[in-house]
Amino acid sequence: AQSVAQPEDQVNVAEGNPLTVKCTYSVSGNPYLFWYVQYPNRGLQFLLKYITGDNLVKGSYGFEAEFNKSQTSFHLKKPSALVSDSALYFCAVRDGGGSYIPTFGRGTSLIVHP
Amino acid sequence: DVKVTQSSRYLVKRTGEKVFLECVQDMDHENMFWYRQDPGLGLRLIYFSYDVKMKEKGDIPEGYSVSREKKERFSLILESASTNQTSMYLCASSLQGQNTEAFFGQGTRLTVV
Repeated sequence: AQSVAQPEDQVNVAEGNPLTVKCTYSVSGNPYLFWYVQYPNRGLQFLLKYITGDNLVKGSYGFEAEFNKSQTSFHLKKPSALVSDSALYFCAVRDGGGSYIPTFGRGTSLIVHP
Repeated sequence: DVKVTQSSRYLVKRTGEKVFLECVQDMDHENMFWYRQDPGLGLRLIYFSYDVKMKEKGDIPEGYSVSREKKERFSLILESASTNQTSMYLCASSLQGQNTEAFFGQGTRLTVV
């Protein structure tokens, strides 16, 4: 079975400060991990993914994520937040040893204050 | 540019009506998905299709059915709409393979009155 958790419903950060949105996962095989962003009244947009290799993955709009196997985490980060980064962020996982249907977290609302 | 298109952005239907939500993708993807999104519940999978005429139930299939007669089109059907089906519906597609990302449509906000 596969599962993913986003422990924070909301993250608040001041513009210019670094941001972190947390994600932890559980799989039986190798994890394939994804981050998506959703702006109001829109569908989800793909940001980045971890498949294998380097634990630090770089994606769109200056976002990056760090894969940590021992902590089963895949936190999304950005060195300097913008007000326009305010959106809903979803982490998703696929189990390399099982289903090819992704499981999504419940989402974290990121609010960047001017 | 890749594209997943949902037929309506906003829809208002009456209780008991049969409702069709259409989704078309132009990327020749094998997999297509229907999710509903509700505040605090995230995305919940309704149905999944991995090929033409093939489908699998997701987490919440009750009250819904799907049709995939052509590779590019995946339809979600509410047999008899109810007020608890008021939600945002998201269609997505992806290539086969576990390391592939999904592409989403813009969503259909359905209100059942």
